[in-house]
Amino acid sequence: SQKIEQNSEALNIQEGKTATLTCNYTNYSPAYLQWYRQDPGRGPVFLLLIRENEKEKRKERLKVTFDTTLKQSLFHITASQPADSATYLCASRMNYGGSQGNLIFGKGTKLSVKP
Amino acid sequence: EPEVTQTPSHQVTQMGQEVILRCVPISNHLYFYWYRQILGQKVEFLVSFYNNEISEKSEIFDDQFSVERPDGSNFTLKIRSTKLEDSAMYFCASSDSGGYNEQYFGPGTRLTVT
Repeated sequence: SQKIEQNSEALNIQEGKTATLTCNYTNYSPAYLQWYRQDPGRGPVFLLLIRENEKEKRKERLKVTFDTTLKQSLFHITASQPADSATYLCASRMNYGGSQGNLIFGKGTKLSVKP
Repeated sequence: EPEVTQTPSHQVTQMGQEVILRCVPISNHLYFYWYRQILGQKVEFLVSFYNNEISEKSEIFDDQFSVERPDGSNFTLKIRSTKLEDSAMYFCASSDSGGYNEQYFGPGTRLTVT
């Protein structure tokens, strides 16, 4: 079955450093991957989308890469701040080729940025 | 900035009771979704809705669940006879098109079944 996996449950880093989060997918080839931020007790908030034909996408301090050979996406936050502390979710469309954007999510990586 | 709203924020119900969770998607969006998240687990897709009908549904979305868009603004999820295992956070989401576009999630309704 299609799987999105985020193997690191938690990542602790010092303020100012770059956080790198990993998302792996198995048993399918997603047309895109999306990254969301989720704060405790809140709904996911969209951050970035990268398509399979894009190697890299940037938005302010965020950067996401997509490696179809490794079946992996990396999500980077540069110059991290305590306010970046949250759970970050990787997601992709569940049924490739379908018209709907039903998402399958990874379990998320909880990022803690210490001052 | 437009946002998805959900009511109530917290619903407590007894096993076997019916509950209706309400959502107001972003006004010009055409695609609507329900997801759930059991505490400490992944966000899971339940159902998608477009053009006044269900587009896709997951295995979780069995006969106990139904969705409706009763008017031009509300989108509801009904659980007919709640079970203990239905306790979760339920998120409504909407997007302006299917496929690649990002989805906008509401703040969620925490459902507690006792």
